[in-house]
Amino acid sequence: NAGVTQTPKFRVLKTGQSMTLLCAQDMNHEYMYWYRQDPGMGLRLIHYSVGEGTTAKGEVPDGYNVSRLKKQNFLLGLESAAPSQTSVYFCASSTAPRYEQYFGPGTRLTVT
Amino acid sequence: GQQVMQIPQYQHVQEGEDFTTYCNSSTTLSNIQWYKQRPGGHPVFLIQLVKSGEVKKQKRLTFQFGEAKKNSSLHITATQTTDVGTYFCAGHTGRRALTFGSGTRLQVQP
Repeated sequence: NAGVTQTPKFRVLKTGQSMTLLCAQDMNHEYMYWYRQDPGMGLRLIHYSVGEGTTAKGEVPDGYNVSRLKKQNFLLGLESAAPSQTSVYFCASSTAPRYEQYFGPGTRLTVT
Repeated sequence: GQQVMQIPQYQHVQEGEDFTTYCNSSTTLSNIQWYKQRPGGHPVFLIQLVKSGEVKKQKRLTFQFGEAKKNSSLHITATQTTDVGTYFCAGHTGRRALTFGSGTRLQVQP
């Protein structure tokens, strides 16, 4: 039981490049989330999903897209990376009844 | 939108001293969760409070949920170096997504 895994762990992009971050969970959770964490800013919700095939915007969705084609996977895409997207990205999943969130180890992204 | 504020942002204590972090929401919460993130790590769930006025204890950690369900606190008695990290509160207004506070970073001097 691996819990929540994220790929890749580190990435450096040039401005304007695109990339996809992959999150996978093996706990059969319905809910999945993408957050970004910047120094002193806590965790800010980018997008989330309440089930396969459904997604919704969070607090800071601009510049990102997501897809949840399979229940266990949640993809975060950056179409045209900007230096302001330099951050640590965390994926999380949860389920009823408590909806406590299980986090992945994070992806450290640097955009130059 | 919902806002969750946490104070202090940072606290440095001597080992053995007590520590408290406070969390305040701009709206009434259905429940509140607390997470701990060790340096370089990811957030890990500690506890959930649901009822107005609820108090829960985990060894040296005491969690409280306010009567109005808009504030919460985490108190650590006799801190240890293993308590180092950032403590986040996170509030649910509905079921679907949490709003995280900005966190309190705790440093413990041996």
